[in-house]
Amino acid sequence: AQTVTQSQPEMSVQEAETVTLSCTYDTSENNYYLFWYKQPPSRQMILVIRQEAYKQQNATENRFSVNFQKAAKSFSLKISDSQLGDTAMYFCASDHTGNQFYFGTGTSLTVIP
Amino acid sequence: SAVISQKPSRDICQRGTSLTIQCQVDSQVTMMFWYRQQPGQSLTLIATANQGSEATYESGFVIDKFPISRPNLTFSTLTVSNLSPEDSSIYLCSVVGGSEQYFGPGTRLTVT
Repeated sequence: AQTVTQSQPEMSVQEAETVTLSCTYDTSENNYYLFWYKQPPSRQMILVIRQEAYKQQNATENRFSVNFQKAAKSFSLKISDSQLGDTAMYFCASDHTGNQFYFGTGTSLTVIP
Repeated sequence: SAVISQKPSRDICQRGTSLTIQCQVDSQVTMMFWYRQQPGQSLTLIATANQGSEATYESGFVIDKFPISRPNLTFSTLTVSNLSPEDSSIYLCSVVGGSEQYFGPGTRLTVT
């Protein structure tokens, strides 16, 4: 079975500081995709960043970057220069078949002014 | 990318009634997905809806409780039947495009 684990139910960070959200996953596939989604209070799920497993280079999108450790099956999200608008639930997800996404239980991030 | 709209955005329903949620996509897609997000929890896949065929349900979800229609490549409905308070959740539809998954804004259902 494919599983995605987020071990941090809640986190907080001071505005302008950096925070890292953890995610581990389990798969027997060699090629797959990993994602971080953000769900603000408006509840619209928004894709933050995507990583293809066959790429060794860590994905980066502006203030968001990942630390992808394929051997360890770890996929953490780093948010730099945190902003108040980053306050949201963050879900880690994996896609192994192109059709079925598996989501972690989420991390509630609060950015403190 | 895909833009997805859902109706209604929220509803309050009485126990024993049903609610039908509509999902509209701005482009043609083969598969549409319906998720449930219970309060404070992650997303759970209910079913996958292919146009022109029966929906495929995940373990723990049955067609009698969650009938799905998929009349064309841009539209789907999910009905939550015989409502109970345990059905109070957010229901989201989504589509996959280019190895990314796009979500609708969700429908917040409260059952009283």
